[in-house]
Amino acid sequence: QQQVKQSPQSLIVQKGGISIINCAYENTAFDYFPWYQQFPGKGPALLIAIRPDVSEKKEGRFTISFNKSAKQFSLHIMDSQPGDSATYFCAASVGNQFYFGTGTSLTVIP
Amino acid sequence: EAGVTQSPTHLIKTRGQQATLRCSPISGHTSVYWYQQALGLGLQFLLWYDEGEERNRGNFPPRFSGRQFPNYSSELNVNALELEDSALYLCASVPRGGKNTEAFFGQGTRLTVV
Repeated sequence: QQQVKQSPQSLIVQKGGISIINCAYENTAFDYFPWYQQFPGKGPALLIAIRPDVSEKKEGRFTISFNKSAKQFSLHIMDSQPGDSATYFCAASVGNQFYFGTGTSLTVIP
Repeated sequence: EAGVTQSPTHLIKTRGQQATLRCSPISGHTSVYWYQQALGLGLQFLLWYDEGEERNRGNFPPRFSGRQFPNYSSELNVNALELEDSALYLCASVPRGGKNTEAFFGQGTRLTVV
């Protein structure tokens, strides 16, 4: 039961471009939507998160857009840099129940 | 505060053997999740333990099993190892139920089956 669906599986972006990763969920009980960033050989680490009572959250070059009615949320990376090359996971949670997307491998070309 | 610790960091086993992976959650966290991440692939949910009980398991065969101890640490056992079990196994701990909870990951155990 894939509670959170993530796309695309991989993404290649030129340096300075915008990277966009999308996620969709089914369970309207989810109340927290974090994004994780994982570098090779490391465990995923929290990047940015949003609650369903806001439509957008921005932290530096990273922005989450949230569409509650469509049950979709997305991560936008502005001015993408080679150092942003990593795997990104979206997640949805309620209480201590966590569900992760399958991940997006982002490559930023210099 | 110590983060999530996993041991061993690397593990090499031969096909047919058993592997035991360990996870110590952050102090005060009661839930432990196990994920398999094969090379180049995303997170595949394996098991979720909470308060000592198995709450959910992913689409994996029964030879993947585990348990959670009274101190909330957890163990993942993989029996009759197959070559395709080679992967990074990640553990994540989550605090006791509440709003806006965050999952914290360990660095993983790299299991290689030869």
